[in-house]
Amino acid sequence: GQQVMQIPQYQHVQEGEDFTTYCNSSTTLSNIQWYKQRPGGHPVFLIQLVKSGEVKKQKRLTFQFGEAKKNSSLHITATQTTDVGTYFCAGRGRGSTLGRLYFGRGTQLTVWP
Amino acid sequence: SAVISQKPSRDICQRGTSLTIQCQVDSQVTMMFWYRQQPGQSLTLIATANQGSEATYESGFVIDKFPISRPNLTFSTLTVSNMSPEDSSIYLCSSKADSLNTEAFFGQGTRLTVV
Repeated sequence: GQQVMQIPQYQHVQEGEDFTTYCNSSTTLSNIQWYKQRPGGHPVFLIQLVKSGEVKKQKRLTFQFGEAKKNSSLHITATQTTDVGTYFCAGRGRGSTLGRLYFGRGTQLTVWP
Repeated sequence: SAVISQKPSRDICQRGTSLTIQCQVDSQVTMMFWYRQQPGQSLTLIATANQGSEATYESGFVIDKFPISRPNLTFSTLTVSNMSPEDSSIYLCSSKADSLNTEAFFGQGTRLTVV
């Protein structure tokens, strides 16, 4: 079945350091989405990437979608304590699986002040 | 984006009993999804609930254990039946707008503890 692998599972950084999480799908995706879940909260949508090779930025966050639409990354520049949380990628399937999202296991980010 | 109101937010239940979780969406949506999330883990899809049809369950989840209702386009329930401590988890409902490339939005989650 379709799988989305995400690494690392945990990342501890000092405030001001950069952070990157990576996702890789076993199959080509229709699109990929990124979510952030704060401790005790629910996942909140950050962004969606649709096009092959697409790059999007949100302030200190940079999102990339691979040329083959099978991998993606989220990079945070100069982390802040407000970045703490778990970041999930979620790939949307194609064909018969269109509509459902396949979530990576998430990367739990801790930022030390 | 739409808003989902999920309740209860948390509950502590005795083993052998059942709990029904409700989700109300503030707009009409075709697809609703129910997830389970163990602490510190990813989201595991339990089932997809489309209005007017039987819910589609993922491998490892069965209707007898997790019956789902979807009476209209704005509401769904998930029941966790005959609970055991292994059912302790966070349960999340989710939906998306009907157009293709839209994001998912989530209810606030139900933190279930079975004792």
